[in-house]
Amino acid sequence: SQQGEEDPQALSIQEGENATMNCSYKTSINNLQWYRQNSGRGLVHLILIRSNEREKHSGRLRVTLDTSKKSSSLLITASRAADTASYFCATDASSGGYNKLIFGAGTRLAVHP
Amino acid sequence: EAQVTQNPRYLITVTGKKLTVTCSQNMNHEYMSWYRQDPGLGLRQIYYSMNVEATDKGDVPEGYKVSRKEKRNFPLILESPSPNQTSLYFCASSWASGVYNEQFFGPGTRLTVL
Repeated sequence: SQQGEEDPQALSIQEGENATMNCSYKTSINNLQWYRQNSGRGLVHLILIRSNEREKHSGRLRVTLDTSKKSSSLLITASRAADTASYFCATDASSGGYNKLIFGAGTRLAVHP
Repeated sequence: EAQVTQNPRYLITVTGKKLTVTCSQNMNHEYMSWYRQDPGLGLRQIYYSMNVEATDKGDVPEGYKVSRKEKRNFPLILESPSPNQTSLYFCASSWASGVYNEQFFGPGTRLTVL
């Protein structure tokens, strides 16, 4: 099974509300990344949090990481219709300097005007 | 503009007809990778390359080949496509090592094998 698994699989909210997505993983990691994908398009990197960090912010995004629980959450505050997309967490558990990300199945977020 | 390009973007073909999907990046990245995306399965890595002439299998390499003769290019080859290779394919690149290894993705190639 995948290293990163997102929860929920789908989320539907109104504009202005906050959206929270969770990611759980199985092994120790170097870092955890969140990506966004608009329908059928390539993924775009949103934010990276290192294993020794607990929280990180970027604009309306807030990511937390709990390595003891092997979980992360992505919070999008004051959501907009343009935030409608799929969101993926990806874990980097590589060793020896080799770059390998393992992606979860994603959370589909729908933000309604 | 820093980018990863893929061609073609859409392709419909028939079983057994060899095809190549090209991927090129202009960021001088060492690492390049191919993924396939299927509903409910997220992205699964097909092959990756750490640098020129250095390629290795990912999680789902069966039925695919790759080559890395130049740093910027990383084509994906399907020698004898089958319907179970119908999928959305993404090429990605990044720096090979270091803590900050954000991957840059191409726009995707939607392949249908009849």
